[in-house]
Amino acid sequence: QSVLTQPPSASGTPGQRVTISCSGSNSNIGSNTVNWYQRLPGTAPKLLIYSHNQRPSGVPDRFSGSKSGTSASLAISGLQSEDEADYYCAAWDDSLNGWVFGGGTKLTVL
Amino acid sequence: EVQLVESGGGLVQPGGSLRLSCAASGFSFSSYEMNWVRQAPGKGLEWVSHISSSGSTIYYTDSVKGRFTISRDNAKNSLYLQMNSLRAEDTAVYYCAKGAFDSWGQGTLVTVSS
Repeated sequence: QSVLTQPPSASGTPGQRVTISCSGSNSNIGSNTVNWYQRLPGTAPKLLIYSHNQRPSGVPDRFSGSKSGTSASLAISGLQSEDEADYYCAAWDDSLNGWVFGGGTKLTVL
Repeated sequence: EVQLVESGGGLVQPGGSLRLSCAASGFSFSSYEMNWVRQAPGKGLEWVSHISSSGSTIYYTDSVKGRFTISRDNAKNSLYLQMNSLRAEDTAVYYCAKGAFDSWGQGTLVTVSS
């Protein structure tokens, strides 16, 4: 059971907008920044969003993040087939003194 | 270009030990905190351990406390994870990651089985 809660799966058709939620608590999302990672099949995870809504260079602006209270969301607009991957949220947890990840969301592009 | 290359994984019997290494290049290693993260077969990502840039601050996830030891050698641009008293549930691909996981290695597989 992961400390951060994500839906196990999400799906959309090319061109659609999909969102993936990440629910936590006051000790993690509520008081620290949230990062999102993309895990393409057979590859190492890649940082997608940091500090709730910042994109590293090279990440398309189709990807965006937001946070409200103890929850965060990743939005992907203009869905493309190459977006099919596993997505994870993560945040530092002040109570556990460690990083916590969501269980991951498998995104399928129909 | 940031490069992180893990090594040291393999097959080990329950109760055995392994030492993982992560060779870093392409950035000022001594300026960054580092982490180990693992992914068990069919499971999600799990943070294992964190070490500050100087090595003075260290954290572990509860399940490995007392069994795993993280360390670093800034002169050699290297990160380590000494794993003792290994259990079947430690079977996973282990990744080293820079900072708040902004760069990752390709991982090294640890299999704990008799």
